[in-house]
This record gives sequence, structure tokens and C-alpha cells, in this order.
Amino acid sequence: AQSVTQPDIHITVSEGASLELRCNYSYGATPYLFWYVQSPGQGLQLLLKYFSGDTLVQGIKGFEAEFKRSQSSFNLRKPSVHWSDAAEYFCASQTGANNLFFGTGTRLTVIP
Amino acid sequence: NAGVTQTPKFQVLKTGQSMTLQCAQDMNHEYMSWYRQDPGMGLRLIHYSVGAGITDQGEVPNGYNVSRSTTEDFPLRLLSAAPSQTSVYFCASSASGGRGYTFGSGTRLTVV
Repeated sequence: AQSVTQPDIHITVSEGASLELRCNYSYGATPYLFWYVQSPGQGLQLLLKYFSGDTLVQGIKGFEAEFKRSQSSFNLRKPSVHWSDAAEYFCASQTGANNLFFGTGTRLTVIP
Repeated sequence: NAGVTQTPKFQVLKTGQSMTLQCAQDMNHEYMSWYRQDPGMGLRLIHYSVGAGITDQGEVPNGYNVSRSTTEDFPLRLLSAAPSQTSVYFCASSASGGRGYTFGSGTRLTVV
């Protein structure tokens, strides 16, 4: 069965520090992978996606993610976090039926 | 371009009442889905549609009905509301080919 695991429920970083959010997937084939961000009371916004090809993908707001097949991971990174990055982040994989399967999310707190 | 529009934004129901959550998209997307979001559980798929006239069940379909008579609209019906259906509901749409989903801003439903 397909699954997505985000092992960190909550992460706190200082403004200006680097960030890495972890995501592991379980799927028979190489899945399509996504990162979404959700600000409080808002819907989900797509940050970036991986389908194939270059394993380092760039997204919006200065985020990037690296697909590592050997580790079944798709971690999200940002070199320098801004206070406005405080939000909840969801990793998702896409099934053969074109549906998204989400992890449980990681809440990011940014301290001044 | 409105994207995905959900109405209402907030709703309080009494146990046993029925209601319909509305979802409309103006991007001519084939795929549409309904998710519910509960704390610590991420987003779970309720029902989805791969085109007008075609719907199927997702991970948590019990207590919900859907129909897709047009490409644009994908309403979600709660037949007899229960407190366990208290949640935030998101509608999403996608073009074919797995290009990622666009989400609505959500409906916060409370069943008392």
C-alpha cells in the first residue's frame, strides 16, 4: 500500500537559519511527489513537484527538494527561513489513479 | 481566474441534518477530489471524479455522496451529519497527466 511519512510533527527554527523537512514515501514505482504549504485558516498551496528527471527540484518562495530513490525520500529544504514561512507543510505522493496521498504534516514555527 | 471555489466557508449542523458542500472550478480540469483534514491526520480522500459522470470512493467515503454532472461542479453531500464529520473539507482539481492539484480555501464544518 502506498504511504507517505513525515516523521517530524513540529519543528522550530530561528529566522535566517536553514530548514530541512523530511518526507519518506512507500510505493512500488517512482511516484509523483509534491510539497504543499498551508498557512493558518487557508487552503493548500503547491510549493514544488517531482515527476522525473533532475532529482533536485526548485519551487516557489525559495524552497527546493531532493528526490533520493535509494532512501525513498523527498526532503524539503530552504537555506534561510523567513518569519513568513511559519505554516504547516505537507508532503504528498500521487497514485496511479491520479489521487494525492498525504503525509500527516509538519508544523513549522519560526522564532525571531 | 477564480480557480477552485468552495461554499460555504463555515457551517454548523445538528446531528442528523443533511447538507451539500459546493465546489466549482473554472479551469476545465478533468479531475476533482474531496478531502477532509483532521488534526494529526493530514488530508484524507473522501471521493474523487475523473470526469463528468464518473465518480469513485476514496479512503473515507462513508456518510458522504458525490455526483459530477458537469466538468465544473463537484458537490459533496452529507446524508445524515454525525459529530465524527466535524472537520475541514477541501475540494481540489487537476488537469490530466498528474500536474498537481489546485485546492479551494476549505469549508469548516461543525456537527453538534
